[in-house]
Amino acid sequence: NAGVTQTPKFQVLKTGQSMTLQCAQDMNHNSMYWYRQDPGMGLRLIYYSASEGTTDKGEVPNGYNVSRLNKREFSLRLESAAPSQTSVYFCASSEAAEVSPLHFGNGTRLTVT
Amino acid sequence: QKEVEQNSGPLSVPEGAIASLNCTYSDRGSQSFFWYRQYSGKSPELIMSIYSNGDKEDGRFTAQLNKASQYVSLLIRDSQPSDSATYLCAVPSNAGNNRKLIWGLGTSLAVNP
Repeated sequence: NAGVTQTPKFQVLKTGQSMTLQCAQDMNHNSMYWYRQDPGMGLRLIYYSASEGTTDKGEVPNGYNVSRLNKREFSLRLESAAPSQTSVYFCASSEAAEVSPLHFGNGTRLTVT
Repeated sequence: QKEVEQNSGPLSVPEGAIASLNCTYSDRGSQSFFWYRQYSGKSPELIMSIYSNGDKEDGRFTAQLNKASQYVSLLIRDSQPSDSATYLCAVPSNAGNNRKLIWGLGTSLAVNP
């Protein structure tokens, strides 16, 4: 099983460009999450989807949008990238929105110049 | 502001020794506690979860929970160089939902051969 698959692994954008980060899980999990990880800041939740058809803001949603395309896929879109969005992005999934272990993808390292 | 605090380290131990990692949390209502391991440049992976006071053992890993003192620790026995990583403590707030998962900044562990 692949688990949680994220694409791309690396991306460089210029300020103002847009892009979509893709995430898919094959564990039949109900809940999916997008985190960013920055030195000294730890993991911060951007958006999450408790179940198919629902999405909600996390701790740092500004500048991002998400789509829960189906049960498997949860994408993160940057409409107009800013240097402050330079970070490592992780997608994760869990069996349920209630407390349960998270399974992470391999991450996307994004640089905005 | 609910918090999870960990010593940033680095914690350096010789191969074969016991590594002790500590985490304190502020939310007295927290019921579940997770330890994730993150190798440099990789994604976090769950290594231990603990839900009740006392010890929980899994191979060389032991999680210890003391709700009265609001700390959870991770002991790694017979430490190996392959244990060198950052260990993240994660505690859901008393909302009981992964959306409210609060992450520590992690403790960096170095196991020296």
